[in-house]
Amino acid sequence: DADVTQTPRNRITKTGKRIMLECSQTKGHDRMYWYRQDPGLGLRLIYYSFDVKDINKGEISDGYSVSRQAQAKFSLSLESAIPNQTALYFCATSDTTGISTGELFFGEGSRLTVL
Amino acid sequence: QQQVKQSPQSLIVQKGGISIINCAYENTAFDYFPWYQQFPGKGPALLIAIRPDVSEKKEGRFTISFNKSAKQFSLHIMDSQPGDSATYFCAAGYSGGGADGLTFGKGTHLIIQP
Repeated sequence: DADVTQTPRNRITKTGKRIMLECSQTKGHDRMYWYRQDPGLGLRLIYYSFDVKDINKGEISDGYSVSRQAQAKFSLSLESAIPNQTALYFCATSDTTGISTGELFFGEGSRLTVL
Repeated sequence: QQQVKQSPQSLIVQKGGISIINCAYENTAFDYFPWYQQFPGKGPALLIAIRPDVSEKKEGRFTISFNKSAKQFSLHIMDSQPGDSATYFCAAGYSGGGADGLTFGKGTHLIIQP
């Protein structure tokens, strides 16, 4: 099983619908992130969380919200999806305890299409 | 958001050739410079990383060259193979696990022709 699991892997929805992308991890890491990938734009940070009680906005948080339900779970919501939110979304984790390398561990991605 | 500029956007190299991807950063406080490799349908995965106390790091056919004064670093893939065809992202951040993770370049789509 993957260490960082994202669901759903693919989703097609319509403008105005509410969408939730879920991420769970078995790595025991404290930090979790949501990135968005668009062709030619690379990976851009949406939100990140240090722990259950700490949520922070990233570079492109407008139109998105998150919830850290537990140390292992971090979900991304689009309250009212719009077509320019069509993208590939990645959840990632990192460990800042013990010997930290700064390395991010990514899930396999959730492809979202908003019609 | 501090930028990391990556070039070229796409690259085609013949099998056995050397692939070179370049990145430049702005924030001199960054002390961790990784390269991530992404295959279609997969998430990015760490390929190799360097810290600014060394000018070069080599792992197999992959080498990072780092120029602290120029604020530039590059990835060299020697004896490039078709299996190296992927998207490569450079990134910059903090070795202690910076508050906002890593800042990524826009990616290079590498194709190795047989």
